[in-house]
Amino acid sequence: QLVLTQSPSASASLGASVKLTCTLSGGHSTYAIAWHQQQPEKGPRYLMKVNSDGTHTKGDGIPDRFSGFSSGTERYLTISSLQSEDEADYYCQTWAPGIRVFGGGTKLTVL
Amino acid sequence: EVQLLESGGGLVQPGGSLRLSCAVSGFTFSDYAMSWVRQAPGKGLEWVSIEGGSGGSTHFADSVKGRFTISRDNSKNTLYLQMNSLRVDDTAVYYCARDRHCGGGTCTGDSAFQYWGQGTLVTVSS
Repeated sequence: QLVLTQSPSASASLGASVKLTCTLSGGHSTYAIAWHQQQPEKGPRYLMKVNSDGTHTKGDGIPDRFSGFSSGTERYLTISSLQSEDEADYYCQTWAPGIRVFGGGTKLTVL
Repeated sequence: EVQLLESGGGLVQPGGSLRLSCAVSGFTFSDYAMSWVRQAPGKGLEWVSIEGGSGGSTHFADSVKGRFTISRDNSKNTLYLQMNSLRVDDTAVYYCARDRHCGGGTCTGDSAFQYWGQGTLVTVSS
């Protein structure tokens, strides 16, 4: 069964860096995922796709502060030089024939 | 500029029906599969359904299978979600999202949701 697991919460200081993790269920280590950001009271926004080989493709207008990489079944989103507007929920998403799957989301608090 | 605009949400009683629409502009609608995603109050994102366009078929999450149907009108660049036998736990903001490229009977690329609408709220309550 295709499942994505995320930590419910994370925090980091203004100006610092943070790494968010999305873990694919066993047997799915070749799957790409997408990261989406949802700021308070807003709809989701696509950030990037992260491939199993560690490459990533960002959406239009996504700052260089956002990057992604992979290791095994883990897919990462790193945000550097944290700003107050980065405080948001972050969801990973993947896909297979006939199904789309979301992780439970990570709430990022910028201290 | 790509735009997706949902409409049709509102208050409905349990057991009732509602049809959501998603009007699209800025890309060739007929060339893309489209998905519906929902978010219950205070909860995470849940994929609901996909309309695969010319290259694919329709699929539903188990939570809505047999109650919801999905369709599209390419002449109107509009995606629909017909929701029947609504339950209290269907209460959510419903988003449409652009799925993979499915033109000419063949689907290519990935299903990362690169574009989202702003959502429409469905409240099921007596």
